[in-house]
Amino acid sequence: DTAVSQTPKYLVTQMGNDKSIKCEQNLGHDTMYWYKQDSKKFLKIMFSYNNKELIINETVPNRFSPKSPDKAHLNLHINSLELGDSAVYFCASSRGQGLGEQYFGPGTRLTVT
Amino acid sequence: AQSVTQLDSHVSVSEGTPVLLRCNYSSSYSPSLFWYVQHPNKGLQLLLKYTSAATLVKGINGFEAEFKKSETSFHLTKPSAHMSDAAEYFCVVSDGSYGGSQGNLIFGKGTKLSVKP
Repeated sequence: DTAVSQTPKYLVTQMGNDKSIKCEQNLGHDTMYWYKQDSKKFLKIMFSYNNKELIINETVPNRFSPKSPDKAHLNLHINSLELGDSAVYFCASSRGQGLGEQYFGPGTRLTVT
Repeated sequence: AQSVTQLDSHVSVSEGTPVLLRCNYSSSYSPSLFWYVQHPNKGLQLLLKYTSAATLVKGINGFEAEFKKSETSFHLTKPSAHMSDAAEYFCVVSDGSYGGSQGNLIFGKGTKLSVKP
């Protein structure tokens, strides 16, 4: 069974659209994350979230919003997509917050045209 | 602020020869350090982690890393490269934002390892 899964794997859309990426983990972890990996493979955290606290990287535009229907899911909503949003987005989870060892999903490659 | 610097963006080795991927860190406290691997079109997988226990850390697939505080280094090594080791490798430090050595992960820029037959 896949530990951290994301859908879709590929997403191609036009500027100005609104899209969502879904993430699910079946590890029983209580903390989930979203990362953005740019074309140079640089990974940067966007959000970390558990049932107590959402921590937002201050550099993330407010067009991006995480939504968690339950502990096992953390979806990423993106409004008014821009060309610069094109990247690979990774979801991850961990047991506890800030303990370091995170399990990553396979990634969603978003292309904005 | 905490940071990591991966000294080589690309390393190429022949199959069966040793691998050395270099990483230096900067931290104001005793850090937690990690190496993650990303195979093409895949997610990231934890190779190994250092959390202030033994300075020589053994990971999966024959990799190991040594924490050297005096040199602020955490280099990744493997005695004998295999074709399947070809991937992107990330050195990672915890930013301590939750206190002590716990925090969010800060990734290095990655080192691409190529393995020639």
